[in-house]
Formats: sequence, C-alpha cells, structure tokens
Amino acid sequence: DAKTTQPPSMDCAEGRAANLPCNHSTISGNEYVYWYRQIHSQGPQYIIHGLKNNETNEMASLIITEDRKSSTLILPHATLRDTAVYYCIVSDDWGKFQFGAGTQVVVTP
Amino acid sequence: GAVVSQHPSWVICKSGTSVKIECRSLDFQATTMFWYRQFPKQSLMLMATSNEGSKATYEQGVEKDKFLINHASLTLSTLTVTSAHPEDSSFYICSASDDDLYGYTFGSGTRLTVV
Repeated sequence: DAKTTQPPSMDCAEGRAANLPCNHSTISGNEYVYWYRQIHSQGPQYIIHGLKNNETNEMASLIITEDRKSSTLILPHATLRDTAVYYCIVSDDWGKFQFGAGTQVVVTP
Repeated sequence: GAVVSQHPSWVICKSGTSVKIECRSLDFQATTMFWYRQFPKQSLMLMATSNEGSKATYEQGVEKDKFLINHASLTLSTLTVTSAHPEDSSFYICSASDDDLYGYTFGSGTRLTVV
C-alpha cells in the first residue's frame, strides 16, 4: 500500500503558484520523498526528490517539514502544461515505487 | 537527461496470443529496470523488478508465468504477456536509471488491448 496521502484534486490559476501537499506520517529515516507527474497517457516524469532538506530545481521546490511527516511541492508559476496527476512517493529504494492515487492538478487560464 | 524507449507504443492482439513489449535505455546502461501496469483511471502498480543477467523479482499477486521478463542486456528488458486475455488490457510502463542525479526515468508506456 502507498505510504502517502494526497488530496484527490486541485485547481490552480495560470501564472500562480501551485502548492501540492503530501502526508507521509510513517516515513522512516532512510526513505526519500519523490515527486513525479503523469500527463494523460504518458509515462510519469520526474520532478524532484529530497531526504530532509528543502530542494529546488528548474521545475519546482520541495519543502519537507522538520519531522519529515509531510511535504509540499511548489510549482512557482503554473502553466497550462502543468495540468497532470502529481504523485508523492516515499521509498528507500529509488525506482521501486508504490504509487498512491496522486493529485489531479488542473491549471486554468 | 536519460531516455527510456518503449516499443510498441500500442498493440492490439487476439485473446490467447502472446505479446512482447520492449524497454530500452537509449543512452545509458541499466542493471535494474522496473515494470508497472496501469488500468484506466487508476494509479501505477509495480509488477516486477527486472535485473540484468538474473531472474526477475515479481510483486505479490503477479503471475510470473504469465508475465515473462527477460533482461538479457544492460540496455534492454522485455515483458511478454503470454496467453493474453481481455483483463490483461492495460497500460504497461517501464522505468530505468542511469544512477545519476535524475534517478529513474519512465518510458512512454505501451497500451495493450486484448480483443
């Protein structure tokens, strides 16, 4: 079973920041938090990952709480192309993922 | 970044026949690949871990005799759905890693329809 809980859906206005929450209260010390997204009928796309510290790359920022029981993915300036299902995954074995239901993000003009 | 190619992108086959799906790492070598299945409106489900030069490791509930996995080289893993039935119709996706910063890259998936 997936070890994460995400809201099923979220709407976001184009150009605004999208903040996607994820709860992973049972995360263990050696498990990383990974974020992938899946646009309809395509394979998932890697976004970002982290262990303890906040991370930022060209796509997004990842904020992990100090107790590591939750995290937030931030898309700084959402575009229509960011419409997708976003998956938050915790794993100590990169690539061997148990996907949850994810969050369907719809970016509107 | 790393590129993972799947072939075919879609296939229609008759019930009772076998179908082979290829997963290739195009610009890197992958000792480990993963195979997932995704039914309509559902999330991805891990089927098996494909290890180069050794037997695949299957997740609980996945029939190893029905879903044959071969990882004969560092750039190719194949999934063969044997004696396919309509309930095997699904989106099959593989992933592989070149062990750098970007970790596991997913292929574009194969849509299998069994009629």
